[in-house]
Amino acid sequence: GEDVEQSLFLSVREGDSSVINCTYTDSSSTYLYWYKQEPGAGLQLLTYIFSNMDMKQDQRLTVLLNKKDKHLSLRIADTQTGDSAIYFCAALSGGSYIPTFGRGTSLIVHP
Amino acid sequence: EAQVTQNPRYLITVTGKKLTVTCSQNMNHEYMSWYRQDPGLGLRQIYYSMNVEVTDKGDVPEGYKVSRKEKRNFPLILESPSPNQTSLYFCASSLPGTSGRGDEQFFGPGTRLTVL
Repeated sequence: GEDVEQSLFLSVREGDSSVINCTYTDSSSTYLYWYKQEPGAGLQLLTYIFSNMDMKQDQRLTVLLNKKDKHLSLRIADTQTGDSAIYFCAALSGGSYIPTFGRGTSLIVHP
Repeated sequence: EAQVTQNPRYLITVTGKKLTVTCSQNMNHEYMSWYRQDPGLGLRQIYYSMNVEVTDKGDVPEGYKVSRKEKRNFPLILESPSPNQTSLYFCASSLPGTSGRGDEQFFGPGTRLTVL
């Protein structure tokens, strides 16, 4: 089945850009997602990209997809302390109905 | 307001005492799932359901049961809880093909379970 990997921690200074990386294994994946989990809360969809796209931009967020390498990244420009959270990468395999989630990357933003 | 609700939000229990965590969604979603979240292990799927009376095992189903008698409810049952089931549990729902946001999963707020 699908396997999604991401690093566990990332620490950045406020105002810098953050880049969270993710790799997945199933080349038939149709949708790739980034979910955000704030402390004490459930996950919320942050953004997603369809597999026929290379890039998607939404305000401070940029998602890059390299299908050849099965690599997904999330860039947060001008990172703020409110961006501190756990970010989960997820992939929906072709023929599946529920995505596979990575372990989550804890983003720590310090002044 | 469209939402997924879970009850209870916090529960401390003892080994072997049966418990049920309820999950309800008001969005008429067909798909529902249960996950557990543990430090360093991320989110792991326990069970999922694609519709009423249709359930299937996820990655870590041992020690859990589920039922889907109605579309809106998907309770998680621990018949004989053990300390290794101490975790943070999330219920989620989705309706593929219609959300317009890439088949978004909607998550409940979580249930923190401690088994002594």
